[in-house]
Amino acid sequence: AQSVTQPDIHITVSEGASLELRCNYSYGATPYLFWYVQSPGQGLQLLLKYFSGDTLVQGIKGFEAEFKRSQSSFNLRKPSVHWSDAAEYFCVVNPGNNRKLIWGLGTSLAVNP
Amino acid sequence: DTGVSQDPRHKITKRGQNVTFRCDPISEHNRLYWYRQTLGQGPEFLTYFQNEAQLEKSRLLSDRFSAERPKGSFSTLEIQRTEQGDSAMYLCASSFGGGYSYNEQFFGPGTRLTVL
Repeated sequence: AQSVTQPDIHITVSEGASLELRCNYSYGATPYLFWYVQSPGQGLQLLLKYFSGDTLVQGIKGFEAEFKRSQSSFNLRKPSVHWSDAAEYFCVVNPGNNRKLIWGLGTSLAVNP
Repeated sequence: DTGVSQDPRHKITKRGQNVTFRCDPISEHNRLYWYRQTLGQGPEFLTYFQNEAQLEKSRLLSDRFSAERPKGSFSTLEIQRTEQGDSAMYLCASSFGGGYSYNEQFFGPGTRLTVL
């Protein structure tokens, strides 16, 4: 069955530290991949997306993600975290123009000053 | 900004009452989705429209729930005889689908429902 796994439920980092949020998917082919962020009281916002081509994709707010086919992973990274990055992060898969997205359970990020 | 809008943003109702939420998608988007999100969880798919046709419904959508998109533009989600378990954030999203669409969905701010 198609699935998305975000192994870390909660992560706490210090402001200025680097960040990596993990995402693994289960699908036979290369899906379309997204990371969404949901800040407290805010709607879901698309951070970045991968469809094809360069496996390192750049997104908004200084985030990037790398698609690794061999590991079925699409990890989100940021070199230096800001306090405003505290939010819930969702890895999402669209398995080939399927209209129904598959959502991970989310990783909650806390940022210490 | 012509993003997805939802109305109302908050709704408090008593158990047993009916409620209706509205979603206005991005104007050129032909696909519209409804999700439900409870605290600490990701969005759960409820239903999906392509233009005015409702093409898919989740098993989560009991017979108390109904959604419409009469003219292929805005959509309404109605919950009849609300129960406390219906308390959640109801999210609407839209996308442009068809051909080589990648189905990137744009979300509204949500309607938070509290059933007392």
